[in-house]
Amino acid sequence: KQEVTQIPAALSVPEGENLVLNCSFTDSAIYNLQWFRQDPGKGLTSLLLIQSSQREQTSGRLNASLDKSSGRSTLYIAASQPGDSATYLCAVKDNFNKFYFGSGTKLNVKP
Amino acid sequence: DARVTQTPRHKVTEMGQEVTMRCQPILGHNTVFWYRQTMMQGLELLAYFRNRAPLDDSGMPKDRFSAEMPDATLATLKIQPSEPRDSAVYFCASGLTPDGGRVGGKQQETQYFGPGTRLLVL
Repeated sequence: KQEVTQIPAALSVPEGENLVLNCSFTDSAIYNLQWFRQDPGKGLTSLLLIQSSQREQTSGRLNASLDKSSGRSTLYIAASQPGDSATYLCAVKDNFNKFYFGSGTKLNVKP
Repeated sequence: DARVTQTPRHKVTEMGQEVTMRCQPILGHNTVFWYRQTMMQGLELLAYFRNRAPLDDSGMPKDRFSAEMPDATLATLKIQPSEPRDSAVYFCASGLTPDGGRVGGKQQETQYFGPGTRLLVL
């Protein structure tokens, strides 16, 4: 069974720092990987989706990379802002239409 | 601004009562997901529909949970009878997967989440 792990569970950084969130998965036979953001009391917002054939995706200050062979993805946030404070989750879809979510990294960007 | 809507937003009920949660997917989306989120278990996929047909409901306790799509604009998740361990936030998400499944060799499937239904079973 696919297992998705996110480290660290929580991260606190000063505003302006560049930071990296990590996601690892145990089975490299994935279909795609998606990064989400969740604000307290809200649903998830999709940030980036990387297909299994892709190595990275970029959107604004966000860059997500995928290394399928090593079972890893990273979400890079450049020049962090207090508005980036949220919980970030990664989700893996396998080739059988099943989705597996990590437990998330709670990010706090201090002004 | 197209959004997934869920009702009710909050529900408090007593053990043994029936609970029905509703979801309106984004117009034109053909894929609907139901998730449950708790502190202990995180986010779990309960059921998954494409073109109103259930593709996977293996994550759902069959004895008390049921999920349906009466039409393309409504998805329901029902719990009967409810138990305290069902207390959680239930999310609906919708997406668009091209019929036939593949675009350029791969499916595109970004999920758009609703705000959730926060359920408390006493």
